[in-house]
Amino acid sequence: EAGVAQSPRYKIIEKRQSVAFWCNPISGHATLYWYQQILGQGPKLLIQFQNNGVVDDSQLPKDRFSAERLKGVDSTLKIQPAKLEDSAVYLCASSLGGAGSYNEQFFGPGTRLTVL
Amino acid sequence: ILNVEQSPQSLHVQEGDSTNFTCSFPSSNFYALHWYRWETAKSPEALFVMTLNGDEKKKGRISATLNTKEGYSYLYIKGSQPEDSATYLCASHSGAGSYQLTFGKGTKLSVIP
Repeated sequence: EAGVAQSPRYKIIEKRQSVAFWCNPISGHATLYWYQQILGQGPKLLIQFQNNGVVDDSQLPKDRFSAERLKGVDSTLKIQPAKLEDSAVYLCASSLGGAGSYNEQFFGPGTRLTVL
Repeated sequence: ILNVEQSPQSLHVQEGDSTNFTCSFPSSNFYALHWYRWETAKSPEALFVMTLNGDEKKKGRISATLNTKEGYSYLYIKGSQPEDSATYLCASHSGAGSYQLTFGKGTKLSVIP
């Protein structure tokens, strides 16, 4: 079974530039998550999709971050414009979801973003 | 939002030593506790999902215990090997209807050959 795919793996940009990350979840997984992991911190949930609808985006800085999940499969996360404090690893994860699920999430390798 | 704490933040052990780390979480409304292993430049890998008080799970040289009444879980590694070097993350979620995991900051383990 193929895992969660993410690209690019690394990205270096200057502040105020824009950047986009792509995620392809495991086939059949209804739920998709984007996490931000800043050095020295645990992963923090930015947004959660159930199929192509947003379940939780309470911690997404909506003035500069946006995400979409077209057709309930692939997802993109965009930052526009980037700030220095956005330097982090951006992890995508997917899970089967569903009521009563223990929510085992499967992670991609992440995109390491450096904002100069 | 849950507050999940892990200790120690990092540790170095000699190859062959056994070690353990702690994850503490709010015990109210507990539903499940997850342990992940994250090697540099790789995907975080699920180790265990634990739900019942007193649960003990084992995978090779790695095992974990769970105490939901006092809100803690221990992860043990027996006879550490260099390939065990990684960051070990725990994450908790509460309530059957919530799919959101709250992660601790992780414990970074370095095993010295």
